[in-house]
Amino acid sequence: NAGVTQTPKFQVLKTGQSMTLQCAQDMNHEYMSWYRQDPGMGLRLIHYSVGAGITDQGEVPNGYNVSRSTTEDFPLRLLSAAPSQTSVYFCASSYSPLGSQFFGPGTRLTVL
Amino acid sequence: GESVGLHLPTLSVQEGDNSIINCAYSNSASDYFIWYKQESGKGPQFIIDIRSNMDKRQGQRVTVLLNKTVKHLSLQIAATQPGDSAVYFCAENTDTGANSKLTFGKGITLSVRP
Repeated sequence: NAGVTQTPKFQVLKTGQSMTLQCAQDMNHEYMSWYRQDPGMGLRLIHYSVGAGITDQGEVPNGYNVSRSTTEDFPLRLLSAAPSQTSVYFCASSYSPLGSQFFGPGTRLTVL
Repeated sequence: GESVGLHLPTLSVQEGDNSIINCAYSNSASDYFIWYKQESGKGPQFIIDIRSNMDKRQGQRVTVLLNKTVKHLSLQIAATQPGDSAVYFCAENTDTGANSKLTFGKGITLSVRP
């Protein structure tokens, strides 16, 4: 199993550009989530999904959209990038919301 | 509001010594706790977890202690090795059914001196 994969590993955007961060898992996990990690801060939940077709907002959802059309994939979309979205983004999955989550390797995003 | 925090931002230990990393949580309704390890440039990796009906759980070289009275969680690493150098996060989860979410602490850096 590949576990949780994320692409791209690095990305530089200009303010106002849009992009999609990809996340996929091959463990048949129902629960998937997106976090951002900023220096000196822990992981903050952006959006999460408890199954295909179901998504909900986390702690810091503004500026981000998600969808979950399949169990395997959970893309995160930035519609109009802002410098405040410069961060490292992690996707995670687990069997259930209460289970230990498996994290991907992260995407380092810089918005100029 | 609820928060999960760590007492110390950095911890330096001698190789071979035991390490103790502490974490305070504020939500008395939290019933599941996890410790994660994050190495430089990688995603967090699960170390050990504990449910609120337990006060101690042991893994390989690691032990997690839970004191619900003072809302305190600790991670003990025995015979610390250079490979243990990383950032450690505690996380808590409050069971609200389908909307249960993890709340992470800010992280503490463990540095192992050779």
